[in-house]
Amino acid sequence: GENVEQHPSTLSVQEGDSAVIKCTYSDSASNYFPWYKQELGKRPQLIIDIRSNVGEKKDQRIAVTLNKTAKHFSLHITETQPEDSAVYFCAASIGNGNKLVFGAGTILRVKS
Amino acid sequence: KAGVTQTPRYLIKTRGQQVTLSCSPISGHRSVSWYQQTPGQGLQFLFEYFSETQRNKGNFPGRFSGRQFSNSRSEMNVSTLELGDSALYLCASSDQGGYYGYTFGSGTRLTVV
Repeated sequence: GENVEQHPSTLSVQEGDSAVIKCTYSDSASNYFPWYKQELGKRPQLIIDIRSNVGEKKDQRIAVTLNKTAKHFSLHITETQPEDSAVYFCAASIGNGNKLVFGAGTILRVKS
Repeated sequence: KAGVTQTPRYLIKTRGQQVTLSCSPISGHRSVSWYQQTPGQGLQFLFEYFSETQRNKGNFPGRFSGRQFSNSRSEMNVSTLELGDSALYLCASSDQGGYYGYTFGSGTRLTVV
């Protein structure tokens, strides 16, 4: 199948706390997992990605983990700031890898 | 490098009309994918074009079609517009396809009245 489930749909955290968003995918051939951030009225922008030969990747306050056996991957944001408030989308490559299927999105609100 | 350019930014059309949206990818990118974004459905894949050929297709009705030109610019067309076609249409540019990462355009906001 071609399905990516994303949880939670909304997440509110206090500034400085951590935020975790989780996604599961159904296609065992999926091998590329990007995360996009979309601020209000703007285009989605790639913030971090991971490929299937890697279990974890980190970029400053953002990290992504991948569990291929369980078919799930997660986005971790530490020391959240108000500017992290946005909608976050996970995605997984499908089939021949040329197509990305997206999760439904998570609205992250960071309260100061 | 110039980014991904989508035109027009906004469109208002009447039910039953047709519409054509345009996307110019990043220079050198050969893959263009189109997505429909709505509040309830998230980002839904329409189709992907690579070197003027449709390589992947989503689960949309035949009213949705597209094409790609030799300079990699792509157009999508929606015929016999329905109210439910109101959405943000995003174009994603990539060197080879989704596995290599997308850069999105700003989108075309289509409103059908």
